[in-house]
Amino acid sequence: DTAVSQTPKYLVTQMGNDKSIKCEQNLGHDTMYWYKQDSKKFLKIMFSYNNKELIINETVPNRFSPKSPDKAHLNLHINSLELGDSAVYFCASKAGVQRNTQYFGPGTRLTVL
Amino acid sequence: DAKTTQPPSMDCAEGRAANLPCNHSTISGNEYVYWYRQIHSQGPQYIIHGLKNNETNEMASLIITEDRKSSTLILPHATLRDTAVYYCISSFIDTDKLIFGTGTRLQVFP
Repeated sequence: DTAVSQTPKYLVTQMGNDKSIKCEQNLGHDTMYWYKQDSKKFLKIMFSYNNKELIINETVPNRFSPKSPDKAHLNLHINSLELGDSAVYFCASKAGVQRNTQYFGPGTRLTVL
Repeated sequence: DAKTTQPPSMDCAEGRAANLPCNHSTISGNEYVYWYRQIHSQGPQYIIHGLKNNETNEMASLIITEDRKSSTLILPHATLRDTAVYYCISSFIDTDKLIFGTGTRLQVFP
């Protein structure tokens, strides 16, 4: 009964390819996020969605396109992958608007060759 | 959101209390202090948060100074599984953002 799950856990691909990472939460939360953690371990927010609506877009290149088919899912599609996209991507969710207690998934390690 | 500063690393003996400090001297009156931790190769995990009063839950205690310019996270009986990077974050309650700094790497040793 995983709260926030991501697939795949590892993703190795060539430069220029297009790939997707899926995220699902079974907590009934309204808000979902994508974070990127680079090789220096800095963890930065990329996107936030509330009830399928984009709330935050932290000047992420438009090669990254989040898609929320319903409030339990937030997928991340990346076009034309670049070497610098190599990182660990974390999905997270939180309940309501009055708390900032976020629940994180296990991460997806993306390696672009 | 106010900036926080933490020591880069700390050690703690297993079974002893781990006291992790955080400075947030520019915190505003309605910003909360949140603590998260990230165990190696896992997603960050929420620990505790507070505004003015000290808080305690099953994982830890949070002590906030009266002027709110600093706080301390206390793990009362550290175990090896508490080895992680601990992040202190100041955030408005209704914001959607958590801005992670570099955190404190806590090493618990036997």
